[in-house]
Amino acid sequence: GENVEQHPSTLSVQEGDSAVIKCTYSDSASNYFPWYKQELGKRPQLIIDIRSNVGEKKDQRIAVTLNKTAKHFSLHITETQPEDSAVYFCAASMNNDMRFGAGTRLTVKP
Amino acid sequence: DTGVSQDPRHKITKRGQNVTFRCDPISEHNRLYWYRQTLGQGPEFLTYFQNEAQLEKSRLLSDRFSAERPKGSFSTLEIQRTEQGDSAMYLCASSSREPAGEQYFGPGTRLTVT
Repeated sequence: GENVEQHPSTLSVQEGDSAVIKCTYSDSASNYFPWYKQELGKRPQLIIDIRSNVGEKKDQRIAVTLNKTAKHFSLHITETQPEDSAVYFCAASMNNDMRFGAGTRLTVKP
Repeated sequence: DTGVSQDPRHKITKRGQNVTFRCDPISEHNRLYWYRQTLGQGPEFLTYFQNEAQLEKSRLLSDRFSAERPKGSFSTLEIQRTEQGDSAMYLCASSSREPAGEQYFGPGTRLTVT
């Protein structure tokens, strides 16, 4: 089955800096790659996603890139703000079988 | 609130007892998923329904776990003879047919087995 690895497990940045989180997946058939943000005690919230027919997608300060050949995808957050502090999860899916990474705890220091 | 809802939000039970959780998906979503999340980990897939049909079950789902979605709307997850290792957050998510894949999560039910 699909295996998703996520790095780093923790990331601390200064407010205004950029943050990058990377994930790799094992199943070349996976075709949908969402990113979720989870604040303490709250539900995971979908923040951006990308499908296998696209290499890059951007939404304001958030962007995701996908390299199908290398089977890795990344989340980029620019101009980070303290409210970006949370745990971020990547996931890979084919049809409805979604597998999540272990998460990255992002801390943005003011 | 038109999002995914779950009930109860918290459940404390003694080892060996049975528990049942409920999930109400977004009304127009025909796909429903159950996940388990432990501290410091991402959600782990348990099972998936399309309408009332349970189409996939994870190997993580032991015989003590059963899920139903009898009318293709709400779903229940039952755990029989609970064990301390069952303590976790149980998350439900739903998605619509198109675009496939976008799953929206409920707030979860936190189970503590003492």
